[in-house]
Amino acid sequence: QVQLVQSGAEVKKPGASVKVSCRASGYSFTSYAMHWVRQAPGQGLEWMGWITAGSYNTRYSQKFQGRVTITRDTSANTAYMELSSLRSEDTAVYYCARVGFRGYTVNHFDYWGQGTLVTVSS
Amino acid sequence: EIVMTQSPATLSVSPGERATLSCRASQSVSSNLAWYQQKPGQAPRLLIYGASTRATGIPGRFSGSGPGTEFTLTISSLQSEDFAVYYCQQYNDWPLTFGGGTKVEIK
Repeated sequence: QVQLVQSGAEVKKPGASVKVSCRASGYSFTSYAMHWVRQAPGQGLEWMGWITAGSYNTRYSQKFQGRVTITRDTSANTAYMELSSLRSEDTAVYYCARVGFRGYTVNHFDYWGQGTLVTVSS
Repeated sequence: EIVMTQSPATLSVSPGERATLSCRASQSVSSNLAWYQQKPGQAPRLLIYGASTRATGIPGRFSGSGPGTEFTLTISSLQSEDFAVYYCQQYNDWPLTFGGGTKVEIK
């Protein structure tokens, strides 16, 4: 069965960077795009960016442009999201989410990781 | 950016009753709309995509309508496990955007 397993919770100081991983199993990792979505405590969902299935192209929300980098390692079936210059407002649960159709870059998200809490505090 | 507005923010419903959730897009998103359910401490779960197609394993009491700018998620007869927060999402245009959510609570 499809599974997305994310790395554990992180506590970071303002100005630092964090890198969250998302290990995929149960499907052809290179055939599906991956997106990242975050959720601040008690708030709604916010889309951050995507990485395409095969060509490793990325696109980011302008809100995070310059601070976020999404990558993937096909040998490890793992996607990564790195966010730099962290501030307290970046405290949130970060999710990876798979696009629901093979070969599509943008569509609904059919599988989600369990989420990774990133806390930014001095 | 396409703004997604959900209403109401909170919906109080008795078990067995029908719940109707609304989602409005600031411009047409065609049928490129999904609905997700989220329970406390859990990741969102896909319910509906393409405005009206139920995801695998989703019970028939969940239905969606569209397309265009006005969308509705209907839960025909609320079960105890349906009390949660529901989000709509458009994937018609970049950046992808979500509505603010509707919390369905027990009346």
